Amino acid sequence: DVQMTQSPSSLSASVGDRVTVTCRASQSISKFLNWYQHKAGEAPKLLIYATSNLHVAVPSRFRGSGSGTDFTLTISTLQPEDFATYYCQQTYSSPWTFGQGTRVEI
Amino acid sequence: QVRLQESGPGLVKPSQTLSLTCTVSGDSINSETKSWSWIRQHPGKGLEWIGNIYYSGNTYYSPSLRSRISISLDTSENKFSLNLTSVTAADTAIYYCARVRRGGSRGVYYSYMDVWGKGTTVTVSS
Repeated sequence: DVQMTQSPSSLSASVGDRVTVTCRASQSISKFLNWYQHKAGEAPKLLIYATSNLHVAVPSRFRGSGSGTDFTLTISTLQPEDFATYYCQQTYSSPWTFGQGTRVEI
Repeated sequence: QVRLQESGPGLVKPSQTLSLTCTVSGDSINSETKSWSWIRQHPGKGLEWIGNIYYSGNTYYSPSLRSRISISLDTSENKFSLNLTSVTAADTAIYYCARVRRGGSRGVYYSYMDVWGKGTTVTVSS
């Protein structure tokens, strides 16, 4: 199985901050990497697919990059609605696996 | 607008079978470019992929659950289901269903879960 490791596990930030979350795969997954945002009690939301493609209606302050084993999610200017947990996911090989999550909090 | 809605019992006794249904509206599950997935989240933990089913009926399961799970389609009612047998307390979780899109070009196709249900909480307890 491909192991996905996110860092940090949690971070404290303020509105307006630039936030970076990293995701490392245990083997190369090319660009088969997705990012999701999850708020408690809500359905997870797709933010970015195939490493860098913004899903529909996702604000442009979200940006994904990387390739191979190292990937990054960047939020350029943190907004109040961005406080949530973020997960990376690889769909390069079965079983699909998620990172453990990064909680972004005030 | 595409919506997915999970349904099923909130409480299941140990050793019994958990059965959940995901009803899809606004889209047809009988589509070559999509598949349908189950994911769960244990209390206080991250997301765990359970398995996928394609319009053809082909399924892909997590190895850790393969011996206990089955996912099926009901095209007449536009829904898909999850059965998990011999449940224990370790199966207590929020269960989500999701639509999986597949996009790309030149022989490279990426899969991603673009629409999710809100989840249903399942507790395994006697």
